[in-house]
Amino acid sequence: AAGVIQSPRHLIKEKRETATLKCYPIPRHDTVYWYQQGPGQDPQFLISFYEKMQSDKGSIPDRFSAQQFSDYHSELNMSSLELGDSALYFCASSSRQGLEKLFFGSGTQLSVL
Amino acid sequence: DQQVKQNSPSLSVQEGRISILNCDYTNSMFDYFLWYKKYPAEGPTFLISISSIKDKNEDGRFTVFLNKSAKHLSLHIVPSQPGDSAVYFCAASGGSGAGSYQLTFGKGTKLSVIP
Repeated sequence: AAGVIQSPRHLIKEKRETATLKCYPIPRHDTVYWYQQGPGQDPQFLISFYEKMQSDKGSIPDRFSAQQFSDYHSELNMSSLELGDSALYFCASSSRQGLEKLFFGSGTQLSVL
Repeated sequence: DQQVKQNSPSLSVQEGRISILNCDYTNSMFDYFLWYKKYPAEGPTFLISISSIKDKNEDGRFTVFLNKSAKHLSLHIVPSQPGDSAVYFCAASGGSGAGSYQLTFGKGTKLSVIP
C-alpha cells in the first residue's frame, strides 16, 4: 500500500540558508500535518492543512511557511535557518473518514551547520 | 509544559514476558489516545488507540488501558517479542475545532525485548 512520502530524506544546510521539504500524502488523504522532532525530544506539531487550507497552527516559527497544493502534496519552506532548526521533520496524512489516526512518513533529517 | 508524559525513557523485558509502557496526561480535554511505534530511520507507525468512552481496547498482543480519573494510560504487550523492540510514543488529541486533530506526543519509551 502507498505510504506518506517525504523528500528529501536528508538535507544539510548552512545557517541563514533556506530549505524546502516536500510531503506526498497517502492517496485520497486530504489532510496533512507537519511535526518537528528535535534530538531527544517528542514530536512537536507545527501546522496542518485540510483541503488546501491551513486548518491549525502549532509551534511553527514565523521563518517557516507551508502550503498544500491542488494535488494535496505539501511543502514546508524554511528560511533564515538556525542551528536549532536541526531536527527530524515528519509529515503525516489522514482523511476525514479516518480522523482517529495519522499515517507518518519516514521524515526528513535536516542538519543546519 | 509537557501535557503528555512518558516518565520511563527506556524499558527492558525478556522475550515472552509482558511489557507495560505507561503514559500520563494533564489536559482533561484530551479524549482520544494513540500509541505509535517507531523504528530507527522510519516514521511513527500507528499501533492502537482508545477513545475516552472506553477503558480498554485490545488488538492481538496489544492492549491499551485508560484510567480517566487518574489521567493515565498504559500499553501492554503480551507476549513480548524481539521485533517489538522500538520506541513507543503515547499521543493524545481532543478539544474542539480543527485543533482536535492535532496530536500531542510524549517523549517516547525505548523498549528492548531481550531474546
